[in-house]
Amino acid sequence: SQQGEEDPQALSIQEGENATMNCSYKTSINNLQWYRQNSGRGLVHLILIRSNEREKHSGRLRVTLDTSKKSSSLLITASRAADTASYFCATDEGGRGGSEKLVFGKGTKLTVNP
Amino acid sequence: GAGVSQSPRYKVAKRGQDVALRCDPISGHVSLFWYQQALGQGPEFLTYFQNEAQLDKSGLPSDRFFAERPEGSVSTLKIQRTQQEDSAVYLCASSFYSEQFFGPGTRLTVL
Repeated sequence: SQQGEEDPQALSIQEGENATMNCSYKTSINNLQWYRQNSGRGLVHLILIRSNEREKHSGRLRVTLDTSKKSSSLLITASRAADTASYFCATDEGGRGGSEKLVFGKGTKLTVNP
Repeated sequence: GAGVSQSPRYKVAKRGQDVALRCDPISGHVSLFWYQQALGQGPEFLTYFQNEAQLDKSGLPSDRFFAERPEGSVSTLKIQRTQQEDSAVYLCASSFYSEQFFGPGTRLTVL
């Protein structure tokens, strides 16, 4: 079963605009990760945020985490056509830490138009 | 070094055939995971190894699915008597700690 839900399911923007995707989850977690998947390719890890962190940046990516609301957001600034992909959040269900199975949402399909 | 590799990349099987999917994890990664991704969905967990020990197989959908990692490195996911509902992309991931690195997947089509 899938724990998270991404919102929106699909997002279409123009190059240069910012894209915001949201993720909600159900159980307590150790960390939350965001992945990107291009059509027909594997998942690429983007960023990991731990449960005791509230915000994290990596290049054009900004991730926030609100454990009280069990939600996270991924912001991509100054989007490019190459950012077109599906984006998934994944949580580890708050296990003992270390390597744990990931529970993915259904993803947000982002289209960046040139 | 090299990332996670999987073979074959594509597999077409007739219903009832057995298939074997291979995963080569990143060298030194202790943990290995298998996920199944149906079209338009996020990946769903199948099973997890720590070295050669299969610690969690709660996601395997039926007893037709079997996974092994006998020497704690390469892993094989075997599906016996394939059914049409087994059609999906099968993803393998390895990790040393929290971050999981995914392979390109094997797209299985059962006719």
